[in-house]
Amino acid sequence: EAQVTQNPRYLITVTGKKLTVTCSQNMNHEYMSWYRQDPGLGLRQIYYSMNVEVTDKGDVPEGYKVSRKEKRNFPLILESPSPNQTSLYFCASSQQGQRNYEQYFGPGTRLTVT
Amino acid sequence: SQQGEEDPQALSIQEGENATMNCSYKTSINNLQWYRQNSGRGLVHLILIRSNEREKHSGRLRVTLDTSKKSSSLLITASRAADTASYFCATVRKTGTYKYIFGTGTRLKVLA
Repeated sequence: EAQVTQNPRYLITVTGKKLTVTCSQNMNHEYMSWYRQDPGLGLRQIYYSMNVEVTDKGDVPEGYKVSRKEKRNFPLILESPSPNQTSLYFCASSQQGQRNYEQYFGPGTRLTVT
Repeated sequence: SQQGEEDPQALSIQEGENATMNCSYKTSINNLQWYRQNSGRGLVHLILIRSNEREKHSGRLRVTLDTSKKSSSLLITASRAADTASYFCATVRKTGTYKYIFGTGTRLKVLA
């Protein structure tokens, strides 16, 4: 089954404790992306990757890191989480092509930083 | 902010009625996409309309795009209780960065 998986689905952590949220897709998609969703703000793009070893900032990259060492995986790293990073996070992937492809979303990771 | 905006923010209708929601955006786009999100879950793609298209249909969905006004509308005909969800538009720029810009969403409630 074609899908995007994220782990963990729920995470409660404390300020400053490094964490990684994993994302994997089995569709051989070139494009992968991370979003955060906050009430009233919709989805905001954190980082995206056009292909292996190619990443770029979205609109809200501060406080986050990503890497793309393999085509299927795109982990999101919070090196020193803060309470303002409490949010619902989504990973997504799509074919790259000529930009005319839809994104497939993972189920989301609900992160709480205390 | 580069975000798009949808209106209305919330919409409540009776089953069988049509639901219309609108999206405005700010940049030149390659395409505009509509997504549905059931409460707290991942987004599901509904329909994509390219910048050179004016109207597109998919089942009970009808999307229009007016690039001169930088706006789009999504019409759901003969709505069902299962259509209750949040709906988001998303745009991809024509050139340059491959960022997606999502709107703030319309919360649709269909009453049985």
